[in-house]
Amino acid sequence: QITLKESGPTLVKPTQTLTLTCTFSGFSLTTSGVGVGWIRQPPGKALEWLGIIYWNDDKRYNPSLKTRLTITKDTSRNQVVLTMTNMDPVDTATYYCARKPAYDILTSHWLSVDDIYFDSWGQGALITISS
Amino acid sequence: DIQMTQSPSTLSASIGDTVTITCRASESVKSRLAWYQQRPGKAPKLLIYKASSLQSGVPSRFSGSGSGTEFILTISSLQPDDFATYYCQQYNDYLTFGQGTKVEIK
Repeated sequence: QITLKESGPTLVKPTQTLTLTCTFSGFSLTTSGVGVGWIRQPPGKALEWLGIIYWNDDKRYNPSLKTRLTITKDTSRNQVVLTMTNMDPVDTATYYCARKPAYDILTSHWLSVDDIYFDSWGQGALITISS
Repeated sequence: DIQMTQSPSTLSASIGDTVTITCRASESVKSRLAWYQQRPGKAPKLLIYKASSLQSGVPSRFSGSGSGTEFILTISSLQPDDFATYYCQQYNDYLTFGQGTKVEIK
């Protein structure tokens, strides 16, 4: 069974740095093709992709947020960490981590690193930015 | 960046109805499109990937079609659990999501 869970502060002051940890189980981030991504959702609004880290430590970021984001992994702890600098009230959102699969069960084919969709999600963590 | 536009934004339907949700991309995303369902207060759940491939464990009343710039999610014989918000997501050029379509009870 695959599980992911986000943890971190619930309240962050403007201009501070947010650090969120995703702790997962049921898969390994050493398996070729696997990735863990971050997605956020402001209250009542749509989903926004933030970035992804792959098994080989390659990373991709949303171009509009790239300068503020860093994603790292600790495979021994089964954790992925999102760091986001210079937080603003507009960054108030539920932050999710999710798994990008490596394999397509239907076709029995390995997926490309560019096949970025998420088949398992954490429950989400609501982060409020306020002084 | 690629913009994804869903229509309608809200859809009212009854149990047993067949509903369709459209997602349009601002440029071709080939078949690199996924659909998610999100119930209130819950994380999104993957329904469809590669435009028409049904994720394991998802009921067969959900189906996806389309390629290029126009995609459709069809829910046949709507069930109580299906009242939720649905999002499309392209993955041809980075990732972008549509704004969502809320399916509510008529």
